[in-house]
Amino acid sequence: AQKVTQAQTEISVVEKEDVTLDCVYETRDTTYYLFWYKQPPSGELVFLIRRNSFDEQNEISGRYSWNFQKSTSSFNFTITASQVVDSAVYFCALSENTGNQFYFGTGTSLTVIP
Amino acid sequence: GAVVSQHPSRVICKSGTSVKIECRSLDFQATTMFWYRQFPKKSLMLMATSNEGSKATYEQGVEKDKFLINHASLTLSTLTVTSAHPEDSSFYICSARGSEPYEQYFGPGTRLTVT
Repeated sequence: AQKVTQAQTEISVVEKEDVTLDCVYETRDTTYYLFWYKQPPSGELVFLIRRNSFDEQNEISGRYSWNFQKSTSSFNFTITASQVVDSAVYFCALSENTGNQFYFGTGTSLTVIP
Repeated sequence: GAVVSQHPSRVICKSGTSVKIECRSLDFQATTMFWYRQFPKKSLMLMATSNEGSKATYEQGVEKDKFLINHASLTLSTLTVTSAHPEDSSFYICSARGSEPYEQYFGPGTRLTVT
């Protein structure tokens, strides 16, 4: 079974629109970590955020915000006032308590149209 | 944050030859490194876990004789694609685990093209 599900394969928005990327995860561990990475066309993974399972506080960093809801096993990512430079593939990932492996979602390809 | 480098960033090789990809942790020691493969428009797939001084652990379906992994020091792991074929063309990404078990620092990736 897929541990991390990103149901949105591709999203296109017009510049300055807000966009939310969904991530649903599955784990039996009580301690785990959730991540979001950005992968621009160059291929390099850019770390955006890490959240541990005990911290459900939402986080905001500039135009980025994250909504972590354990009740629905979701860790959604919102970009406000999107820009062309936000165009990339975004991956959500889960690391369980053993920490040995990252489980990546299938990624959401975001295109911001000028 | 911690830095992980990969070399080369791009490589083109002929079918039947072998190619080595290096993964280095530049400012920390990594007892564990991971190798991922990513096909175009697909997610990252874990190939193997590399532990310093011991044999790598390969994921199901990954041929250990084809993808040789050596983790000879705390800062270097290498992946050798032996007798490469066009279907081995892919983007290979390594990561190194930091001091905390949940920390993984990713390299910039190596794009391999086998002609």
